[in-house]
Amino acid sequence: EDKVVQSPLSLVVHEGDTVTLNCSYEVTNFRSLLWYKQEKKAPTFLFMLTSSGIEKKSGRLSSILDKKELSSILNITATQTGDSAIYLCAVDAGGTSYGKLTFGQGTILTVHP
Amino acid sequence: DAGITQSPRHKVTETGTPVTLRCHQTENHRYMYWYRQDPGHGLRLIHYSYGVKDTDKGEVSDGYSVSRSKTEDFLLTLESATSSQTSVYFCAISVSSGAHGYTFGSGTRLTVV
Repeated sequence: EDKVVQSPLSLVVHEGDTVTLNCSYEVTNFRSLLWYKQEKKAPTFLFMLTSSGIEKKSGRLSSILDKKELSSILNITATQTGDSAIYLCAVDAGGTSYGKLTFGQGTILTVHP
Repeated sequence: DAGITQSPRHKVTETGTPVTLRCHQTENHRYMYWYRQDPGHGLRLIHYSYGVKDTDKGEVSDGYSVSRSKTEDFLLTLESATSSQTSVYFCAISVSSGAHGYTFGSGTRLTVV
């Protein structure tokens, strides 16, 4: 059974801090790893990482895929209160999975002013 | 925003009653999914569809059924609601298997009393 584990489960920081969120996975096949941000409602897409695209960056957020270690990290630099959210990691096992994603438990990030 | 809507947004129902949640999309996407979100569990797949009348079970399908008679609508039915089905339910759509991840609906908060 495919499995995705995130750590830490929760994190409290102050504005300006840098945070690193972790995601590890065990899947029978691997197509891609995705990061989502969830504030009060629906998750919104951040990054997708694949074998051909192992590093992505957007503003203060960046993510790296380590296929050897079967893991990924999401870095947020110079955090702001607006970064407070649940960050979800998910893996697409590809093949005949019909695009099904297996999600981790999520990391709850709280950024204090 | 992508055209995906869920209804109702909130519902309180009694144990033992049937409940149907609706997901409607205007994007003509082939793939649709129902997930539930509970604290500490992230998002877990209930059922998914890869075309009209083509559906299959996810990891937590017991007590749920689905139907997809049209491309745009994916219905989730709780045959006889139980308190363990109190959760937030998200519908998601994907343009193709393994593409750019999902677009999520805004969620339905279901409380079974």
